[in-house]
Amino acid sequence: GQNIDQPTEMTATEGAIVQINCTYQTSGFNGLFWYQQHAGEAPTFLSYNVLDGLEEKGRFSSFLSRSKGYSYLLLKELQMKDSASYLCAVRLNSGNTPLVFGKGTRLSVIA
Amino acid sequence: EPEVTQTPSHQVTQMGQEVILRCVPISNHLYFYWYRQILGQKVEFLVSFYNNEISEKSEIFDDQFSVERPDGSNFTLKIRSTKLEDSAMYFCASSEPPTESGFFGPGTRLTVL
Repeated sequence: GQNIDQPTEMTATEGAIVQINCTYQTSGFNGLFWYQQHAGEAPTFLSYNVLDGLEEKGRFSSFLSRSKGYSYLLLKELQMKDSASYLCAVRLNSGNTPLVFGKGTRLSVIA
Repeated sequence: EPEVTQTPSHQVTQMGQEVILRCVPISNHLYFYWYRQILGQKVEFLVSFYNNEISEKSEIFDDQFSVERPDGSNFTLKIRSTKLEDSAMYFCASSEPPTESGFFGPGTRLTVL
């Protein structure tokens, strides 16, 4: 089977930095995705990593280490609106291949 | 900005009834997907579609499910005889020749009574 593990819940303070980790053990790998999902809404694309290293996009950064099967999403300058679930997903192969999702990390941002 | 749309937003049906969930993918996208998310659980892949045929399907996508692209814009998911456990959010997604992610529609919440 495919295993994608993330912490279930995290809490962080407004203005702070939080790192959400994701580890994966999958039969193939062709990219790792992070999505944000507010309750009752659709996942919204945040970032994509296929090569090792850090991708930065505004307040959000994502890191990948393929050899370790590890990624993290870094959120800076946290805002209350960042309270949401953050989903880690792996694409197993190239081409028209669907994503395999982790269970998501529910982040609560507190004042 | 182009977006994936889905109708209806919420569908309530009786067990054993047929439902059709509709999606309009982004117009220049070529790859289409259906995912579902049972309340409180992870997003699960159902089926992918390209060039007017199914590319891949999961174990969830059994004979009760079917997909169609009846015209140049719509992409539908049909459940022939719904079961209680089909209650979930159903998301349609589309992508260009895949480089990054698929874009998800807002979802249809299906409630089977």
